[in-house]
Amino acid sequence: GENVEQHPSTLSVQEGDSAVIKCTYSDSASNYFPWYKQELGKRPQLIIDIRSNVGEKKDQRIAVTLNKTAKHFSLHITETQPEDSAVYFCAASTGGNKLVFGAGTILRVKS
Amino acid sequence: SAVISQKPSRDICQRGTSLTIQCQVDSQVTMMFWYRQQPGQSLTLIATANQGSEATYESGFVIDKFPISRPNLTFSTLTVSNMSPEDSSIYLCSAEDRFRGTDTQYFGPGTRLTVL
Repeated sequence: GENVEQHPSTLSVQEGDSAVIKCTYSDSASNYFPWYKQELGKRPQLIIDIRSNVGEKKDQRIAVTLNKTAKHFSLHITETQPEDSAVYFCAASTGGNKLVFGAGTILRVKS
Repeated sequence: SAVISQKPSRDICQRGTSLTIQCQVDSQVTMMFWYRQQPGQSLTLIATANQGSEATYESGFVIDKFPISRPNLTFSTLTVSNMSPEDSSIYLCSAEDRFRGTDTQYFGPGTRLTVL
């Protein structure tokens, strides 16, 4: 079955700097890749997603890139702010509805 | 996006008892799922709740331990049976709304379960 690896497990950046989180997946049939942000004690919130027919997607300060050949995708957050501090999860799906999640990245933005 | 609520938000239970968690969506959705998130860990899919048929369980999860119901397109329940301390976790439901042409999954707020 699908396996998703996520790195790094923790990431500390200075406010205003950029943050990059990377995920690799194993199943070449995966075609949907969402990213969720989870604040302490809260539900996971979808922040951006990308499908396999697109190489890059951007939404304000957040962007996701996908490299199907290498089977990896990345989350890029620019101009980080303290409110970006949270746990970020990547996930992959083959379109059969099942999401397989990465282990998560704790992002700390220092002001 | 669909608005999802769960009840209870948290509970403390005794070993050997069972707890039923309810998940309510404010609109009809095609797919509903149940996940477990152990403290400080990622989300693991327990099962897909199918409307009108038996749930589809992932490897490592069985119906006797985690019976699931989905009587209609807006509601599902997960029961954690014969609980042990190892079942202490956050249980989350999610919904995917293909009626609206999207397979994006939205999550409920979760149920924090502590088993003594």
